[in-house]
Amino acid sequence: RKEVEQDPGPFNVPEGATVAFNCTYSNSASQSFFWYRQDCRKEPKLLMSVYSSGNEDGRFTAQLNRASQYISLLIRDSKLSDSATYLCVVNKRNQAGTALIFGKGTTLSVSS
Amino acid sequence: EAGVTQSPTHLIKTRGQQATLRCSPISGHTSVYWYQQALGLGLQFLLWYDEGEERNRGNFPPRFSGRQFPNYSSELNVNALELEDSALYLCASRRLRDRSFSNQPQHFGDGTRLSIL
Repeated sequence: RKEVEQDPGPFNVPEGATVAFNCTYSNSASQSFFWYRQDCRKEPKLLMSVYSSGNEDGRFTAQLNRASQYISLLIRDSKLSDSATYLCVVNKRNQAGTALIFGKGTTLSVSS
Repeated sequence: EAGVTQSPTHLIKTRGQQATLRCSPISGHTSVYWYQQALGLGLQFLLWYDEGEERNRGNFPPRFSGRQFPNYSSELNVNALELEDSALYLCASRRLRDRSFSNQPQHFGDGTRLSIL
């Protein structure tokens, strides 16, 4: 099983739609969770951290379910500029230290 | 505040050559991470440096190596280049000097696109 799994998509939605992305992770000891956004041929940029209680930033809502080892990202009122790949990121701790593990990403295409 | 800077932007090499990629972290960030993003494979963790020491490495052969300098900048060296090393190499930095380091996100540079001919 991969450490971080995401549905690759693509998700093709019209402007104004609500879309949800899911992500599962395998390491139950993971403590930190993030969503990053990556535009085509650009570097990943932090979208938001994911907290246990769930958190919202404008049109974006992130949820964490530790029991199911599941993270979600909800985008409301989609804009054309939301078209990008969304990366689910989980920290991994081992004896050597900690590193962030990235999912392969879910591609979103918003059309007018 | 300047972001993470990487150089060169593009690098073209041939099989068997050696490549050196450079990264300068955000001021105040002590940790530098290197990732490889090959087409269709997502971000693969390569190396993590903090305070000048290698803290962790991903599942890559020893010909991928690097170092971190006293000013926290870093180099990634790839020896005996192979065609499959063609990828975007991303550097990220993070502040690790406080207790809540595990919740600190990483900030990425624009990357170096390495092409092996």
